[in-house]
Amino acid sequence: AQKVTQAQTEISVVEKEDVTLDCVYETRDTTYYLFWYKQPPSGELVFLIRRNSFDEQNEISGRYSWNFQKSTSSFNFTITASQVVDSAVYFCALSDLSTNAGNNRKLIWGLGTSLAVNP
Amino acid sequence: DTEVTQTPKHLVMGMTNKKSLKCEQHMGHRAMYWYKQKAKKPPELMFVYSYEKLSINESVPSRFSPECPNSSLLNLHLHALQPEDSALYLCASSQSWGGLASYNEQFFGPGTRLTVL
Repeated sequence: AQKVTQAQTEISVVEKEDVTLDCVYETRDTTYYLFWYKQPPSGELVFLIRRNSFDEQNEISGRYSWNFQKSTSSFNFTITASQVVDSAVYFCALSDLSTNAGNNRKLIWGLGTSLAVNP
Repeated sequence: DTEVTQTPKHLVMGMTNKKSLKCEQHMGHRAMYWYKQKAKKPPELMFVYSYEKLSINESVPSRFSPECPNSSLLNLHLHALQPEDSALYLCASSQSWGGLASYNEQFFGPGTRLTVL
């Protein structure tokens, strides 16, 4: 069965520290997609990145970077030089074929990691 | 314009009230979603509309009734709710839904915080 594990429930860092949020997934499909979303205290879920299973290149966007490793079924997210505005809950999610919905794909969410960046 | 709007932002209702949540997107997306999110939990999918037709109903109680008047609008009608229905209700949209083609990322609105007394 599909599963997404975010082992870190809460992380607290001081501003300018680097922080890595872990995401481990389980799927039997060879074609799947992985996502990261940010949810600040305001509540809106903000899309950060989508990665498909055939693209193992790491991605960098400003202070954000993602490390996708199929060998360990991980899709980790690193924030470099963290800032107070990075404080939020971060969700990792998986999309693969869901037998409960025919050929449709639903998002399987991790439980989220709450990141607090302190001044 | 990558924005999904939701109204109202906050809603307090009694168990006998009837109310509606509204969602709008102008990105030309053909799939729209309703999610329910409890505190410190990930979102739970409730409904999916694809090309204005209901594609997924995740066994949601009938006191929640979705409606998609057109490709830009999505409503959630609420009636006879229970206190345990208090939650953040999120609307989302994506380019499309279904099939074996690539999965499109979902864009979320700010949500409606619902309190049922």
